Amino acid sequence: SAVISQKPSRDICQRGTSLTIQCQVDSQVTMMFWYRQQPGQSLTLIATANQGSEATYESGFVIDKFPISRPNLTFSTLTVSNMSPEDSSIYLCSVEGAKRETQYFGPGTRLLVL
Amino acid sequence: AQKITQTQPGMFVQEKEAVTLDCTYDTSDQSYGLFWYKQPSSGEMIFLIYQGSYDEQNATEGRYSLNFQKARKSANLVISASQLGDSAMYFCANEGTSYDKVIFGPGTSLSVIP
Repeated sequence: SAVISQKPSRDICQRGTSLTIQCQVDSQVTMMFWYRQQPGQSLTLIATANQGSEATYESGFVIDKFPISRPNLTFSTLTVSNMSPEDSSIYLCSVEGAKRETQYFGPGTRLLVL
Repeated sequence: AQKITQTQPGMFVQEKEAVTLDCTYDTSDQSYGLFWYKQPSSGEMIFLIYQGSYDEQNATEGRYSLNFQKARKSANLVISASQLGDSAMYFCANEGTSYDKVIFGPGTSLSVIP
């Protein structure tokens, strides 16, 4: 199984600022996924991050708002830029297990934008 | 495109009884996987069970079993002998081989009554 850590675990930010969320995995993985979970809602995929290439964004998410880095096979960052209260959510990092039958999630970053 | 439907926003079950949480999916992939996750109030995403589209038998994991009906595109989760700790949000999710990403349904809130 993969162990995933995220930093920060939670933050309160002012509108107009940016926050970078870090995701660290204890093993090398090809793909990492970033999800957003708005209050009371399900998980929505933001983008897929492959090492050495540009992230692939889902409909409704753009690189200028959610830039992603993937410098190596165990680490990724997601930046939430120019934040507004609507960005208040839990942001989760996820990786696929060695067998496709498992998808592991980090503990999430709880973001509140005032 | 992938789509997951969970028609039960909230469910109640008596402790020690069995409960079925419904999930239907829509995918154009021939090969795909279906997941169920549990999310307690702590927010962590807990993997419960996986069913591959070509698996001949329904998946089982302890008290969890998946009632997979491929022709009807349904993958219902059955929890036997419910416990108070089963109270949580439950998400059905689908991964298609052509998309290589996991898409989540809206979730079902399960409350176990003593």
